[in-house]
Amino acid sequence: EAGVTQSPTHLIKTRGQQATLRCSPISGHTSVYWYQQALGLGLQFLLWYDEGEERNRGNFPPRFSGRQFPNYSSELNVNALELEDSALYLCASSPRLAGGSPDTQYFGPGTRLTVL
Amino acid sequence: QQQVKQSPQSLIVQKGGISIINCAYENTAFDYFPWYQQFPGKGPALLIAIRPDVSEKKEGRFTISFNKSAKQFSLHIMDSQPGDSATYFCAARSSNTGKLIFGQGTTLQVKP
Repeated sequence: EAGVTQSPTHLIKTRGQQATLRCSPISGHTSVYWYQQALGLGLQFLLWYDEGEERNRGNFPPRFSGRQFPNYSSELNVNALELEDSALYLCASSPRLAGGSPDTQYFGPGTRLTVL
Repeated sequence: QQQVKQSPQSLIVQKGGISIINCAYENTAFDYFPWYQQFPGKGPALLIAIRPDVSEKKEGRFTISFNKSAKQFSLHIMDSQPGDSATYFCAARSSNTGKLIFGQGTTLQVKP
């Protein structure tokens, strides 16, 4: 079974530009999560999408946004890039438990975003 | 209240030894506690996870011990191997938020 896939592997942008990162979840998983792993800041929750809806959002400015498509894939958009946005962006997916709550999250390899 | 505190920050263990990493939390709404292993340049990989109705869970060389009253949980790696050298993250989640709150990470080095 294929795992979570992310593209591109690396992305280099300049300050002020926009970045789009993509994620394909494990087949059968309906939830997609985005996390930022910046040097010295650990893993920080960004967004949770389930069934096409944004379910929760971390403490990030509105220029971080995303969406989930009908096939459950997702993209993360970062507008007006700043130098401190340089980080590894990780996507995770999970199925839902029988009761409806989200289950274990499985991570992709990440997209390394560098802002110059 | 949303924090998960992880210690130690780094750990050096001899091959065959036991590696122990500890985490503490405050939010009693957390209902799921996974541990992830991350190698450089890779995404975190799930190692083992526990829910608060269980005090211990073992999978191979990896064991989670969970103390609900103390709001602490720990990862024990038995017979540590050089291939275990990686960064380990504990995490906690309350199901209604979906998000994982991660500890700061522990860099483990197992010396041959």
